[in-house]
This record gives sequence, C-alpha cells and structure tokens, in this order.
Amino acid sequence: GQQLNQSPQSMFIQEGEDVSMNCTSSSIFNTWLWYKQDPGEGPVLLIALYKAGELTSNGRLTAQFGITRKDSFLNISASIPSDVGIYFCAGQRRDDKIIFGKGTRLHILP
Amino acid sequence: GAGVSQTPSNKVTEKGKYVELRCDPISGHTALYWYRQSLGQGPEFLIYFQGTGAADDSGLPNDRFFAVRPEGSVSTLKIQRTERGDSAVYLCASSVGVGAGEKDTQYFGPGTRLTVL
Repeated sequence: GQQLNQSPQSMFIQEGEDVSMNCTSSSIFNTWLWYKQDPGEGPVLLIALYKAGELTSNGRLTAQFGITRKDSFLNISASIPSDVGIYFCAGQRRDDKIIFGKGTRLHILP
Repeated sequence: GAGVSQTPSNKVTEKGKYVELRCDPISGHTALYWYRQSLGQGPEFLIYFQGTGAADDSGLPNDRFFAVRPEGSVSTLKIQRTERGDSAVYLCASSVGVGAGEKDTQYFGPGTRLTVL
C-alpha cells in the first residue's frame, strides 16, 4: 500500500528555535496536507498544498509541495510553547482517500 | 456546536462484545469519513460516505466492521465480536463534499477511544 515516510519521528527544541520536518512518498500525490493533533483531540488542518512547487505560509508556518510531487516539508519559525503536539503530513490523490504519515512529535524544552 | 462531535469519548468493552460508535458531522456536510488511529500512528482510512451511501469502504479491515449513515447525517460505526487488536482511537471527519472541488477540507472530531479488554 501507499506509504508516507515522515521525519523526524520526534524533536526536542528550545523555545524560539525554528523547526523543520518533512515527508516523502514513493507515490505521486495531487494534494499535500499538514495537520496538528493535540492530546485528546482530532487532527486540525494547518496548511493545504495543491500544486507542485507551491510554497504556502500560515503565520509562523511555511510548507512546500515538492516539485516531484512526492515530498513536502513544514517549517515552524520562532517556536512557542503552544506549538507542542504531533504534526502529521498527509497526501491525497484526486478523489481518493487521505494517507497520513506517522507523525512528528514536537517537544519544547523549558 | 459547530464542529464534528463523537460519542462516547471513551468506550471500554470486553473481547467478543459488540460496540457502536457515533459521529455527528458538521451541519450541511455531505461527506463523512471514519479513520482508525493506533498508538503512535497516523490516522488510517476506514470508510467514506457521500450522502447515505458508502462511496469507498476499502479501509475496513474485515467483515466485523460495518458503518451506516441512513439519513445522510449521523453515522454509526459498528464493530462485532471485538478483539483486543481493535483497541484504538476512532476518528470521524466531515467535509462539504460534492461541489467543493479539490479544496474540500476534512474537519475531524475528537475521536472515541476504544479499549477492548
């Protein structure tokens, strides 16, 4: 089946640092999505990317849809305590279900 | 409320029992999705409804799992003869559906945590 490889699996950073995580796939996707999940909650969409090469920002978050359509990255600038959580990448083909990565767990050290 | 709601929030059952999990989508959303999220994993697709019909049930793991959406709104995920391996968080999501185009965002509920003892 389709697999998304998301890395890193977890990150420990200091408040104020920038964060970068990425996702790769052996398959092409039409849409790349980045979600954040807090404990006891469902995933919340952060950024959606619809075109190869697209670079999109949402506040301190920036994500890019890779040119090959097989990868995407998410950057968070100047991290703050509320950024703690699990970040999921997800790929979707046209009219198909969403495939999620295994997540990147972001921890911010006091 | 404006979001997707799921009940119960937690369900503990014994192996072999039958369980029903409920999802109330956002009002007006025609598309509804069920996912299963095991510990340390991302959500995995189970089934997708467009209106009352199951448009894609390819993610259901076996015939013990079944879902309905009789009036095109509330959906129930039914699991028969539960097994310990069914323990997971079951997430529901809804979206506008037909006519929304490629930018049809799925909004997730908080999930039901199922524990099979």
